[in-house]
Amino acid sequence: GAVVSQHPSRVICKSGTSVKIECRSLDFQATTMFWYRQFPKKSLMLMATSNEGSKATYEQGVEKDKFLINHASLTLSTLTVTSAHPEDSSFYICSADLRLQETQYFGPGTRLLVL
Amino acid sequence: QKEVEQDPGPLSVPEGAIVSLNCTYSNSAFQYFMWYRQYSRKGPELLMYTYSSGNKEDGRFTAQVDKSSKYISLFIRDSQPSDSATYLCAMKSGANNLFFGTGTRLTVIP
Repeated sequence: GAVVSQHPSRVICKSGTSVKIECRSLDFQATTMFWYRQFPKKSLMLMATSNEGSKATYEQGVEKDKFLINHASLTLSTLTVTSAHPEDSSFYICSADLRLQETQYFGPGTRLLVL
Repeated sequence: QKEVEQDPGPLSVPEGAIVSLNCTYSNSAFQYFMWYRQYSRKGPELLMYTYSSGNKEDGRFTAQVDKSSKYISLFIRDSQPSDSATYLCAMKSGANNLFFGTGTRLTVIP
């Protein structure tokens, strides 16, 4: 149980385009989902907390207009990187909060490369 | 001072060795403690979850939490090459965000 999927797993796009990443909890409902960014050989950096039916809470230094988060249902959150630039290239990972266990289950990650 | 401290390694051990991974923390409010395993280019996978102090065993893995010392450990017995990964400790207090260690890179040499 507690499986989280992400799509796509890899995406390459041109600078200036927008990219949408989906995060789904497959076998449980997640009131809260989280979006992380991870640089090579570094730990996870929390970008934002996504709550179903309300606006996301962004961490300090994360541009909310650049990283649009939508959590329209209890099983789906999306992250849209708008007007992507090469410096946005990174590994993006989502997680879903399994509140009964007070822990998070992570998706497999999405590798974004902006050319 | 960081909320969670973890030695980044790298740590190399021969196959069959006992591996000890550790984290220290400063926030006494942390109650929920986790260990995640992350293979290269993959998302973290939850290995062990512990609430409050004590030990928890699952197969070759044992997690220990000592809240009085603000110290948690993960032991891997009979380590295998497939255990080679980065191990992240994480912890939280109630309905709050997870705080992660930096991760320890482990290599088990056949």
